[in-house]
Amino acid sequence: EVQLVESGGGLVQPGGSLRLSCAVSEFSFSSYAMAWVRQAPGKGLVWVSTITSAGGSTYFADSVKGRFTISRDNSKNTLYLQMNSLTADDTAVYYCARSGKGTGPFDFRGQGTLVTVSS
Amino acid sequence: DIQMTQSPSTLSASLGDRVTITCRASQSISSWLAWYQQRPGEAPKLLIYKASRLESGVPSRFSGSGSGAEFTLTISRLQPDDFATYYCQQYDTYPSTFGQGTKLEIK
Repeated sequence: EVQLVESGGGLVQPGGSLRLSCAVSEFSFSSYAMAWVRQAPGKGLVWVSTITSAGGSTYFADSVKGRFTISRDNSKNTLYLQMNSLTADDTAVYYCARSGKGTGPFDFRGQGTLVTVSS
Repeated sequence: DIQMTQSPSTLSASLGDRVTITCRASQSISSWLAWYQQRPGEAPKLLIYKASRLESGVPSRFSGSGSGAEFTLTISRLQPDDFATYYCQQYDTYPSTFGQGTKLEIK
């Protein structure tokens, strides 16, 4: 069964940094684009970033551009999201997802990881 | 950015009912439209992609239709597990955008 397991969330102060990971199994990781989608408490889904299957291209929402970096290690079947200069608006559950087209559709299989930005 | 607008925001229905949720895009997205179901405390689940294609394992009581800028998700014969929040998403272009969600409640 396809699995995506997010980790790395936690409480961080405004201006701080955090690195999220998404370990995947039971599918050919290197064949899929991968994405991060977040959901603030009680709010809707927001696309954050996508990386193509080989890692050659990355895309970001304007709200995180210049602060977040997406990367992947196809030898380790792991996706990453480096988040810098965090603000309270970044507080959310972060889901990783696989994607055939890059822009979507998104196949979510994990439970997400909660990032809380607060002093 | 392409704006996605769902209606209604909340929908009350009874077990066995047939319900329809509408999603409108601010410009044509061809058929690059997906629908997701999200239950409280769970990750979203992909139901339909390319406007009308049922994801593997999703019950046939779910169906999608539309193209261009107007789309619908129909659930026939509501079951207890169907009471959840539903989101549409356009994946025609970056940034990919979601509708605000439709909460399906038990009447």
